[in-house]
Amino acid sequence: GDSVTQMEGPVTLSEEAFLTINCTYTATGYPSLFWYVQYPGEGLQLLLKATKADDKGSNKGFEATYRKETTSFHLEKGSVQVSDSAVYFCALSGGSQGNLIFGKGTKLSVKP
Amino acid sequence: DTGVSQDPRHKITKRGQNVTFRCDPISEHNRLYWYRQTLGQGPEFLTYFQNEAQLEKSRLLSDRFSAERPKGSFSTLEIQRTEQGDSAMYLCASSSASGRNYGYTFGSGTRLTVV
Repeated sequence: GDSVTQMEGPVTLSEEAFLTINCTYTATGYPSLFWYVQYPGEGLQLLLKATKADDKGSNKGFEATYRKETTSFHLEKGSVQVSDSAVYFCALSGGSQGNLIFGKGTKLSVKP
Repeated sequence: DTGVSQDPRHKITKRGQNVTFRCDPISEHNRLYWYRQTLGQGPEFLTYFQNEAQLEKSRLLSDRFSAERPKGSFSTLEIQRTEQGDSAMYLCASSSASGRNYGYTFGSGTRLTVV
C-alpha cells in the first residue's frame, strides 16, 4: 500500500542554519504531496503542498519539490528561526478516497 | 468561519467506560475524516465521511469504535469499553471535494487518557 518515509528526528539546529528534512513516498497512481506542521499543544497546520510532478510548494520560507523520478518531497528552508521549532509531517493523498497517509514526523528544535 | 472545532480538548476516563468526541467541520466542507495520533507517530486514518455517508473505515477501527455524521454536518466518534491502548490524540479533519488538491483542515484534537 501507499506509504511515506521521513527522516528520523530529532533535528537540532542553530538559528539561521539551513534545514533539510527528507521525505520519500511509495504510491500507486499520482498522489498529491503535503507537509504539515504541528506546534506544541496544537493541531496540524498545512505548510505547503504539491499536486503533480515538478511542482514546487512554498510557504513561510519553506520549499519542497515533487520529484516523481526519485519519489521524494524533501522540505527545505534557507534560514531557520527559533519559532520554526515544531514537528513536521510529510503526507500523501492516497487511497480510494484520497485519505492522507502520514510519515512518522520529524521534530525540529532551533536554538538561539 | 472558525475552522474545525473538536470537543472536548482533553478527556480522562477510567478503563471500561464509554467516551464520545464531537467534531464540527468547516461548514462548506462535505468530507470529514477521523485520525488517531499516538506519541511520536504520525496520524493514522480511522474513517471518512462524505456528507452523511461513512464511505471508508480503517482496519484500526475495531468494533468498539463507531462514528456518525447524522446530518452531514458535525460528527461524533464513540469508543466503548475503553482500553489503555486507546489513549491517543483523536484528530478530525475536513475538506471540500477537491481536498486532494487543496489540503485538509485539521482541528486541534481531543486528547484521550485512559487510566
